[in-house]
Amino acid sequence: DQQVKQNSPSLSVQEGRISILNCDYTNSMFDYFLWYKKYPAEGPTFLISISSIKDKNEDGRFTVFLNKSAKHLSLHIVPSQPGDSAVYFCAASFQGAQKLVFGQGTRLTINP
Amino acid sequence: DTAVSQTPKYLVTQMGNDKSIKCEQNLGHDTMYWYKQDSKKFLKIMFSYNNKELIINETVPNRFSPKSPDKAHLNLHINSLELGDSAVYFCASTNHGEETQYFGPGTRLLVL
Repeated sequence: DQQVKQNSPSLSVQEGRISILNCDYTNSMFDYFLWYKKYPAEGPTFLISISSIKDKNEDGRFTVFLNKSAKHLSLHIVPSQPGDSAVYFCAASFQGAQKLVFGQGTRLTINP
Repeated sequence: DTAVSQTPKYLVTQMGNDKSIKCEQNLGHDTMYWYKQDSKKFLKIMFSYNNKELIINETVPNRFSPKSPDKAHLNLHINSLELGDSAVYFCASTNHGEETQYFGPGTRLLVL
């Protein structure tokens, strides 16, 4: 039972343009969502998060949008840079669960 | 300074062997986790410890036994290794009540 889904296994974007990564979830109890970035042979690195009481959170070039009614969140990266090339994981949690449920990741490639 | 470290980084072993993976965090966190990333790239929680006590056990075979000698360490011992145990194992840590987890670099286990 896959509660968090990232339906695009890969995405290719030109440098300087906007990258949009999508994530859907099925469990309405989730109230906290995170994005992690992973380079090859390294562990996931926390990028940005959002609580379900918000619909947007911004940190520099990264913005996460949450649409609770659609059970959908997205990560926007603008402008995209070559160093953004990595696998991005969406994760979800709910209060008291003390665990993260991950999507299967989207490989983002930024082309010069 | 490495926040969450794991040893070894790579582990190649024969079926039927017993092996251990070690994890240490210097972030002062009280909660630690083991995740498994399988061949399909899903990151799934296996165990969670809070202050040396097991709080999450996600239906993992008994061959896997976590041990937490103190808050800063969480080791994973695997008995009678099987081919299907081949995966990348990630350790993570956080403080109880917080959602953001910090991951180690992973241990790549290959069972032949």
